[in-house]
Amino acid sequence: DGGITQSPKYLFRKEGQNVTLSCEQNLNHDAMYWYRQDPGQGLRLIYYSQIVNDFQKGDIAEGYSVSREKKESFPLTVTSAQKNPTAFYLCASSHPGQGAFGNTIYFGEGSWLTVV
Amino acid sequence: DQQVKQNSPSLSVQEGRISILNCDYTNSMFDYFLWYKKYPAEGPTFLISISSIKDKNEDGRFTVFLNKSAKHLSLHIVPSQPGDSAVYFCAASANDYKLSFGAGTTVTVRA
Repeated sequence: DGGITQSPKYLFRKEGQNVTLSCEQNLNHDAMYWYRQDPGQGLRLIYYSQIVNDFQKGDIAEGYSVSREKKESFPLTVTSAQKNPTAFYLCASSHPGQGAFGNTIYFGEGSWLTVV
Repeated sequence: DQQVKQNSPSLSVQEGRISILNCDYTNSMFDYFLWYKKYPAEGPTFLISISSIKDKNEDGRFTVFLNKSAKHLSLHIVPSQPGDSAVYFCAASANDYKLSFGAGTTVTVRA
């Protein structure tokens, strides 16, 4: 089945540690995204990538890093510089040009990150 | 600066009745609008969208209305069903790769 797979579903991080969240898609989508959701808030864009080997900062990129070495993969590293990393992280992808207008993005199941 | 606003954090509706969710935006460059539905601990799923050249789009029980002059859109769910209980996010884009999301509205459908 086509889709977006995020792993792990739950992750615990100690203070000062870097952790990496995996995101893989087999939808042949060009663009991939990372969003963060905090309780009672909307989704905020961390990073996005329109094409392999290229990515741009979103609204809240500080303390995060990404890579896009393959079309299917867009891992997110939460570094120790991220002061408040506990959140629900969502990976998404899209194929620009799908449909007559606009850009519909599709989400994975999400990963919970908790700092302990 | 929140460019997409959902001012009602929650909505309770009786099964079989209409649910109306509202969304306002401030960026006049937005030209594509989407609604997503989200269950707890799951990723959002795409529900319905509308482009700025239309004022209405319908898909089964779901209808989205767009009022560009008021920078306002709404989602109507008729009739509401228990499985519709979820958080609904409004999102918008300005013909680029990014979506801006509202804070969400939690819908509870009562039996």
